[in-house]
Amino acid sequence: DAGVIQSPRHEVTEMGQEVTLRCKPISGHDYLFWYRQTMMRGLELLIYFNNNVPIDDSGMPEDRFSAKMPNASFSTLKIQPSEPRDSAVYFCASSPGTGVAGELFFGEGSRLTVL
Amino acid sequence: DQQVKQNSPSLSVQEGRISILNCDYTNSMFDYFLWYKKYPAEGPTFLISISSIKDKNEDGRFTVFLNKSAKHLSLHIVPSQPGDSAVYFCAASGHSGGSNYKLTFGKGTLLTVNP
Repeated sequence: DAGVIQSPRHEVTEMGQEVTLRCKPISGHDYLFWYRQTMMRGLELLIYFNNNVPIDDSGMPEDRFSAKMPNASFSTLKIQPSEPRDSAVYFCASSPGTGVAGELFFGEGSRLTVL
Repeated sequence: DQQVKQNSPSLSVQEGRISILNCDYTNSMFDYFLWYKKYPAEGPTFLISISSIKDKNEDGRFTVFLNKSAKHLSLHIVPSQPGDSAVYFCAASGHSGGSNYKLTFGKGTLLTVNP
C-alpha cells in the first residue's frame, strides 16, 4: 500500500517567493494533518482536516500560511510570501479515524529552505 | 511554553542494555500518550501508546510507563538493538475539544545504541 506522499521532497527558494507543498493522504483516511519540524520548536501542528473540512488551524503561524483540501486525496500548504524563518521540514500525516487513537501515518516530509 | 517536554536531547546506550527515554507534560487535560520513532529522512512512525486509565503498556521489547501524579511517562526498550537508533518523540492528546488526533509533541530524544 502506498503511504502518505509529499512533494517536493526538497525546496530551496528565495525570500518573498510563493511556496506550495503538496500531500496525498492514504486512501480511506478521514483525517489529514500538516506539521512543521524545527530545531527550536520540534514538531508543531499547523492545521488538520476531517473529511476535507479544516477543523483546527490555530497552529498556522500567520496569514502568510494557508492550507486547502479540495478533495479526499489531495491537500496543499501554501506560504506566500516566504521568509527565512519558514525554513523547516513540513510533514503531512493522515489517519483513518479508527484503530489506535492518535496513530498518525506520516509522509517523508518536505524540507524547505528559504534564503 | 512546551506542554510536552523531553529534557534529554540525546541518549547513548550499549547494545543489549535497557534504554529509558523520559517525557514530562504540564497539561492535566492530556489523557492519551504516544511514542513515535523517526529515522533520518523519514517521517515519524507510531511505536506504542497508553491511555491515562493505565499505568503500563507493553509491546514486545517496548514498554511505556505512565505516572499521572507526576505527569511523567517513560519508554523502556529492552534489550536495546542498534536498529533502535533513532529520534523518539513523546506525544500527548486530550479529549477536550473532541479529538484524540490533535497531538502535541515533545522535541525528541536521539537514541544511539552502540554495538
